[in-house]
Amino acid sequence: KNEVEQSPQNLTAQEGEFITINCSYSVGISALHWLQQHPGGGIVSLFMLSSGKKKHGRLIATINIQEKHSSLHITASHPRDSAVYICAVDGGSQGNLIFGKGTKLSVKP
Amino acid sequence: DTEVTQTPKHLVMGMTNKKSLKCEQHMGHRAMYWYKQKAKKPPELMFVYSYEKLSINESVPSRFSPECPNSSLLNLHLHALQPEDSALYLCASSQDPGGRAWFFGPGTRLTVL
Repeated sequence: KNEVEQSPQNLTAQEGEFITINCSYSVGISALHWLQQHPGGGIVSLFMLSSGKKKHGRLIATINIQEKHSSLHITASHPRDSAVYICAVDGGSQGNLIFGKGTKLSVKP
Repeated sequence: DTEVTQTPKHLVMGMTNKKSLKCEQHMGHRAMYWYKQKAKKPPELMFVYSYEKLSINESVPSRFSPECPNSSLLNLHLHALQPEDSALYLCASSQDPGGRAWFFGPGTRLTVL
């Protein structure tokens, strides 16, 4: 079993839909990261969370430390949101991120 | 300046060539990382430099040789690579190796012929 599990693996949505991507982890963490990667491109950090909720534009990220679960929500989705969204956790001690396998999101116009 | 830069963006090399990848950040971050990412897979950690010293080497073959000449610069020297080493090589940095905000570079797309 992977230490970081994401669901769904693939997601297709119509423009304007509300999107949720989930992440569960099984290790102790100091922080959880949501990352975005466009095809063939580098990685952009969207959020770093250690508790609660953060919002940036149409993106909202939440984390429940007790349940070891985080969600990334996209409101009013747009085709430019099409990308792979990756959940990664920072265990803190070794200074490395443990990555989930990513969720490939495709938003159709 | 809140970015990590990587050069070159693309690199094609033969199996006998020697080349280097370069990563730079000017955010005062003291931890820098090299990752290798194959298509449709998550990044795999290769090396971690903490305060300019190599702190983690994830059993990477010796044909990959990292170097951290100063706190802003991280190099990855390549020699005698194999076609299976073709991948996206990502550099990242964080303030220190412990739960701080991470910044990723755009990556170098490496093709080994």
